[in-house]
Amino acid sequence: EAGVAQSPRYKIIEKRQSVAFWCNPISGHATLYWYQQILGQGPKLLIQFQNNGVVDDSQLPKDRFSAERLKGVDSTLKIQPAKLEDSAVYLCASSLSMDNSPLHFGNGTRLTVT
Amino acid sequence: AQSVSQHNHHVILSEAASLELGCNYSYGGTVNLFWYVQYPGQHLQLLLKYFSGDPLVKGIKGFEAEFIKSKFSFNLRKPSVQWSDTAEYFCAARRGGGNKLTFGTGTQLKVEL
Repeated sequence: EAGVAQSPRYKIIEKRQSVAFWCNPISGHATLYWYQQILGQGPKLLIQFQNNGVVDDSQLPKDRFSAERLKGVDSTLKIQPAKLEDSAVYLCASSLSMDNSPLHFGNGTRLTVT
Repeated sequence: AQSVSQHNHHVILSEAASLELGCNYSYGGTVNLFWYVQYPGQHLQLLLKYFSGDPLVKGIKGFEAEFIKSKFSFNLRKPSVQWSDTAEYFCAARRGGGNKLTFGTGTQLKVEL
């Protein structure tokens, strides 16, 4: 079984620039998650999709972050404009459904904002 | 607010020592509990999970965890650690029937030869 694919692995940008991350979940997984992991902290949920609908985006800074999953498969997370405090690893995860299915994580994208 | 606390941020052990990593959660009612591991350079992987039933849960690689409802705890244990267990360990919790998984801050384990 292929895992969750994320790209790019690393990204360095200057503050106020924009950046986008891409995620391809495991085939057949209806639920997709984006997490932010700041150094020294645990992953924090940014947004959760069920197919192409948003289930939870309560912790997404909507003034600068946006995410979409138009066809219910791949997803993109965008930051515009980036701030220094956005430096983190952005993790994508997927699960079969929202019930008791375990989450499968990708390798993440390490973002550095200078 | 729902939270997960991990008491040990850094743990250093010698091979063959026993391991116990603490985890407490703040949820009332039914809760689903997880331990994830992140080996250096790899993605987060599920070690074990508890949904209901036997409070002693066995996972991969000889790890186990015990759910103690009265203490709101889900500590991770391994009788004898190996150098290859060097990794970061995350406890996570979700309200039963809910969809939001909350992680603790993680414990960095280093096992020395």
